[in-house]
Amino acid sequence: EIVMTQSPATLSVSPGERATLSCRASQSVSSNLAWYQQKPGQAPRLLIYGASTRATGIPARFSGSGSGTEFTLTISSLQSEDFAVYYCQQYNNWPRGITFGPGTKVDIK
Amino acid sequence: EVQLVESGGGLVQPGGSLRLSCAASGFTFSSYSMNWVRQAPGKGLEWVSYISSSSSTIYYADSVKGRFTISRDNAKNSLYLQMNSLRAEDTAVYYCARGAVVVAAIVDYWGQGTLVTVSS
Repeated sequence: EIVMTQSPATLSVSPGERATLSCRASQSVSSNLAWYQQKPGQAPRLLIYGASTRATGIPARFSGSGSGTEFTLTISSLQSEDFAVYYCQQYNNWPRGITFGPGTKVDIK
Repeated sequence: EVQLVESGGGLVQPGGSLRLSCAASGFTFSSYSMNWVRQAPGKGLEWVSYISSSSSTIYYADSVKGRFTISRDNAKNSLYLQMNSLRAEDTAVYYCARGAVVVAAIVDYWGQGTLVTVSS
């Protein structure tokens, strides 16, 4: 099974600042990586797939990069609505399953 | 507007059974693959099961294989998860989740979830 790790566990950022979240895979997943945002009490929302393609309706301040085992989600200028937990998900060995990372919580500094 | 509404969650004793349902609307249900994804209280996301649009292809996470059964009724725009031999570690919010057209392994829409609690 491919194990996903995310760092940091918690990221404290001021509104308007840049946030950089990391995701690492235990083996190469090529570009088969997605990012989701989840706010308290809500279902997750798809942000990025294919490591760098924004989903429909996602603002341009969200960007994804990386390939292989190292990936980054960047939020260029944090808005109040961006404070949430962010999960990465690999789907490289689909259909043999999908695995999610443990999440990074972005909170207000 | 895409809507996925789960139901059927509740409190069940270890070893018991429960059937979850998901009512879909706002899109052509029969054209999309579907998934169940769960989230234990205060924890991360865990994919549970996948079913293709025609039900011809079905996958399960190892943690539920042999105990859970996914199915769908395209005439009723509904997705189901039959859960048997439930364990305490199955306690979670269960999300009905639509597979994206671009890549079926990606979820592009999620329901609000239904809570399953396995406890004596």
